[in-house]
Amino acid sequence: GQQVMQIPQYQHVQEGEDFTTYCNSSTTLSNIQWYKQRPGGHPVFLIQLVKSGEVKKQKRLTFQFGEAKKNSSLHITATQTTDVGTYFCAPPGNQGAQKLVFGQGTRLTINP
Amino acid sequence: GAVVSQHPSRVICKSGTSVKIECRSLDFQATTMFWYRQFPKKSLMLMATSNEGSKATYEQGVEKDKFLINHASLTLSTLTVTSAHPEDSSFYICSAPLGQGNYGYTFGSGTRLTVV
Repeated sequence: GQQVMQIPQYQHVQEGEDFTTYCNSSTTLSNIQWYKQRPGGHPVFLIQLVKSGEVKKQKRLTFQFGEAKKNSSLHITATQTTDVGTYFCAPPGNQGAQKLVFGQGTRLTINP
Repeated sequence: GAVVSQHPSRVICKSGTSVKIECRSLDFQATTMFWYRQFPKKSLMLMATSNEGSKATYEQGVEKDKFLINHASLTLSTLTVTSAHPEDSSFYICSAPLGQGNYGYTFGSGTRLTVV
């Protein structure tokens, strides 16, 4: 599948600070999805990015897809304790295969 | 929204026994279901893709005789861990596409398997 490198692996912030996780691919991606997994929970779909340079916002979350469609980022403004969890980027499988392959994830912990 | 119901949520079994995990799509038809395995504090590793009415496709390194997948109907996919050993202890989770193409996937709540 299409491999991506996600950084950082861990991030600890004070509540109210911003947080960003990055997803980088060596190949051009047709699209990329982002998921959030709370501790002990299952992944929940956040968003899909398709267009080059696309920027989408969901309240305090901002998602970007690079111009070359090789990288993506998720930025959270003014984190809250409810943002705790692991954020995964997920590109599609090879050759448009329907399967989803997950990045390593960034585990966010927050000091209240 | 589309919901996948996964059972059991937790199971403890003895070494050498088999465990079946079920995933049901409750309000939609899932012609395809994906099975993942997740170790503590690690990412989800895709094990196999089950397709209704045909054989499952396994990822490289996943033993098909060890992890039996059946997708007998459009709403049910099962994963059976055969002759379980302690190293099979893990979090198993299923997923199905929400709609046409790759526009989001819905996940089951996962099964935490402990083999003693």
